[in-house]
Amino acid sequence: DAGVIQSPRHEVTEMGQEVTLRCKPISGHNSLFWYRQTMMRGLELLIYFNNNVPIDDSGMPEDRFSAKMPNASFSTLKIQPSEPRDSAVYFCASSLRSSDRGQETQYFGPGTRLLVL
Amino acid sequence: AQKVTQAQTEISVVEKEDVTLDCVYETRDTTYYLFWYKQPPSGELVFLIRRNSFDEQNEISGRYSWNFQKSTSSFNFTITASQVVDSAVYFCALSEADNNNDMRFGAGTRLTVKP
Repeated sequence: DAGVIQSPRHEVTEMGQEVTLRCKPISGHNSLFWYRQTMMRGLELLIYFNNNVPIDDSGMPEDRFSAKMPNASFSTLKIQPSEPRDSAVYFCASSLRSSDRGQETQYFGPGTRLLVL
Repeated sequence: AQKVTQAQTEISVVEKEDVTLDCVYETRDTTYYLFWYKQPPSGELVFLIRRNSFDEQNEISGRYSWNFQKSTSSFNFTITASQVVDSAVYFCALSEADNNNDMRFGAGTRLTVKP
């Protein structure tokens, strides 16, 4: 298996521009997570999906952030408009959640390093 | 609310020394999961171990071992005979079964192993 795939790996953009980050989870996994990592705040969960449905988006910082999962093999995290404080590494992770074993291990993608100038 | 504390911000050891990374957690759930991840300088997050709250057996995997003690709410990680390649940031994390499996990470411990 190729693991969790994220694109782009690096993104540099100017303040005010729209940014779209993409994620392809591991095949067969039914949960998908978006995290943000910064020096100041560490690893923060932004949102997660179970069976393509957003379950908890309480970690999304504000309305400028939105996430979608149109199907089991693809998710996007969009920032519009972007701001310099959004600069961070954004990780996508996926796992298999079952009724009897609960949350299995989350496997992380390589991350997207975002710099907003 | 769940919380994970990694009190050691940075640790530096010389190669071949043993080192223990501490992790203390807080949770009200009786069913929960504990994890350790490694983040090497290249930036990716590598899964190391998952433990559920009903299994307090310690685990050994090569030079890595984990000591889970519910009495002290700790899940410590020991590297035996450390190597330079062990240099990384190590994160402990907690996921509660009753909390929609939201996973909370500790702040991480940066381990530097010097030759």
